[in-house]
Amino acid sequence: DQQVKQNSPSLSVQEGRISILNCDYTNSMFDYFLWYKKYPAEGPTFLISISSIKDKNEDGRFTVFLNKSAKHLSLHIVPSQPGDSAVYFCAASAEGGTSYGKLTFGQGTILTVHP
Amino acid sequence: GAGVSQSPSNKVTEKGKDVELRCDPISGHTALYWYRQRLGQGLEFLIYFQGNSAPDKSGLPSDRFSAERTGESVSTLTIQRTQQEDSAVYLCASSQRSVLYGYTFGSGTRLTVV
Repeated sequence: DQQVKQNSPSLSVQEGRISILNCDYTNSMFDYFLWYKKYPAEGPTFLISISSIKDKNEDGRFTVFLNKSAKHLSLHIVPSQPGDSAVYFCAASAEGGTSYGKLTFGQGTILTVHP
Repeated sequence: GAGVSQSPSNKVTEKGKDVELRCDPISGHTALYWYRQRLGQGLEFLIYFQGNSAPDKSGLPSDRFSAERTGESVSTLTIQRTQQEDSAVYLCASSQRSVLYGYTFGSGTRLTVV
């Protein structure tokens, strides 16, 4: 039962262009969403998050959009840089539930940014 | 320390043996999590410790898996009678704030059961 899904295993983008990573979820109890980036042989690092009371959160080149009615969120990176090449994980949490702080992760999308 | 430290970084073990994985969280972080990532898959929640509360063990895949945490410090994840399907990267994370700020992950322990 995959509650958080990233249906694109990989994405290839030219440097300077926009990267759009997508994520869908099924559990309507999720109310916090996060994106993590992971380089090989390292642990995931936190990128950006959004609460369900918002539909957009921006931090520099990274913007996360949330569409609650569609149970869909996306991460936009603009402009994309070769150093952004990594695996990106979408994660979700049901804040205030019995497992405060527990995150449910998607399968990840490998982003490759070509110079 | 400055980050979450995990040891060993790599472990190869024979099927049927027990293994113990260690996690040193960031000092002061009350919450500690264990996840695993099997090849080609996402991060799978295993167990969560928050302060002195009873741990959330809902993600442990079988009774061969157990974890302990001493106060708000070191945690050990023990896998008994390892099986080949236990091969994965085991990731530990710690946090002191709302989940909205994310956790800090360690680099993981790559476990290979042969």
